[in-house]
Amino acid sequence: EAGVTQFPSHSVIEKGQTVTLRCDPISGHDNLYWYRRVMGKEIKFLLHFVKESKQDESGMPNNRFLAERTGGTYSTLKVQPAELEDSGVYFCASSQDGRGNTEAFFGQGTRLTVV
Amino acid sequence: GNSVTQMEGPVTLSEEAFLTINCTYTATGYPSLFWYVQYPGEGLQLLLKATKADDKGSNKGFEATYRKETTSFHLEKGSVQVSDSAVYFCALLLKGASKIIFGSGTRLSIRP
Repeated sequence: EAGVTQFPSHSVIEKGQTVTLRCDPISGHDNLYWYRRVMGKEIKFLLHFVKESKQDESGMPNNRFLAERTGGTYSTLKVQPAELEDSGVYFCASSQDGRGNTEAFFGQGTRLTVV
Repeated sequence: GNSVTQMEGPVTLSEEAFLTINCTYTATGYPSLFWYVQYPGEGLQLLLKATKADDKGSNKGFEATYRKETTSFHLEKGSVQVSDSAVYFCALLLKGASKIIFGSGTRLSIRP
């Protein structure tokens, strides 16, 4: 069974450009999460989808970030326009249950570098 | 607020050495505690967990005990191997919550 997959694995863009990250969760997992690790610091929660609905987006840093999950399958995270401080590793995770009762499985992450 | 503090790295050890990576937490109530590991080129993987006080999580020779009195969840291994080189993250999850709160990670390098 395929795990959580993320595309691309690496992205280097210039400040002001747009980047779209994609996450394919494990099949059948209704819950999908985005996290981010910036500058070697802690991994921070960005948002949580239940199917196609945003359950919690309290961690989204600002309105330059837009997450979607049309159809409740894969999700995209768009950064527009990108700033230098957006550089970091973006992780996606999925789980069957959204209340911590089942394990959340993480992808490999997308390393974003804004220059 | 709720947070996790873990020892800063990098930590460099020789093969077969004893490993301790300290982790303490601040949380409302009694969270579940986790150690995640990220091996080079791979995603985050759950290494072990403990869901209540005095529970001991263990996996791949690693252990951590949930200590409520000291709000700690230190990771230990008696004899590390080169293949244990990775970044280790301590984390907590509040009951009924969905978002995991992570520490800043500790990079471990094991010399042959």
